[in-house]
Amino acid sequence: AQSVTQPDIHITVSEGASLELRCNYSYGATPYLFWYVQSPGQGLQLLLKYFSGDTLVQGIKGFEAEFKRSQSSFNLRKPSVHWSDAAEYFCAVGELGGGNKLTFGTGTQLKVEL
Amino acid sequence: DGGITQSPKYLFRKEGQNVTLSCEQNLNHDAMYWYRQDPGQGLRLIYYSQIVNDFQKGDIAEGYSVSREKKESFPLTVTSAQKNPTAFYLCASRDRVNTEAFFGQGTRLTVV
Repeated sequence: AQSVTQPDIHITVSEGASLELRCNYSYGATPYLFWYVQSPGQGLQLLLKYFSGDTLVQGIKGFEAEFKRSQSSFNLRKPSVHWSDAAEYFCAVGELGGGNKLTFGTGTQLKVEL
Repeated sequence: DGGITQSPKYLFRKEGQNVTLSCEQNLNHDAMYWYRQDPGQGLRLIYYSQIVNDFQKGDIAEGYSVSREKKESFPLTVTSAQKNPTAFYLCASRDRVNTEAFFGQGTRLTVV
């Protein structure tokens, strides 16, 4: 069965510092991978997605992620964090075929210090 | 504007009562999903549906029921059999297997 692990429950960074959020997945074939962001009490917004091709994908709000098959990872990065980036971030893996399931990690809460 | 609408935003229920959460989408998506979100546990899949009149159990379906009579609607009923229903519920829809899911704004259910 597919699964996603986000090992960091909470991360605190200073505004202007770089950010990397970790995501590891378990999936038998080439995965479809996503990063979503959630503000308190709101739904989820897609930051970026990977289906195939270039392993470095660019998303909205200056985020990027790199797919590394050998490490089963899809880490999210941002060179310079803004205070408005404080939110919860979820990594997800999609299932191929008839299942159409999306499995999410447990999330990483990002706090930005001014 | 196209999107997913969940209603109500807040819902209070007495113990022993069934309650239905609404989810409507006008994106013409085939697949729809219900997730439950609890602090520290991420999103857990309750039910999902790929086409009208068909749905599958997710990882935590016990105590919940759904229907998919129309493509645009996927209501979730939280029954009295659900032992701990207080949570934030998110509905999502998806076009084909290789696209992202779009989410509603959620319904916060509280059992009083």
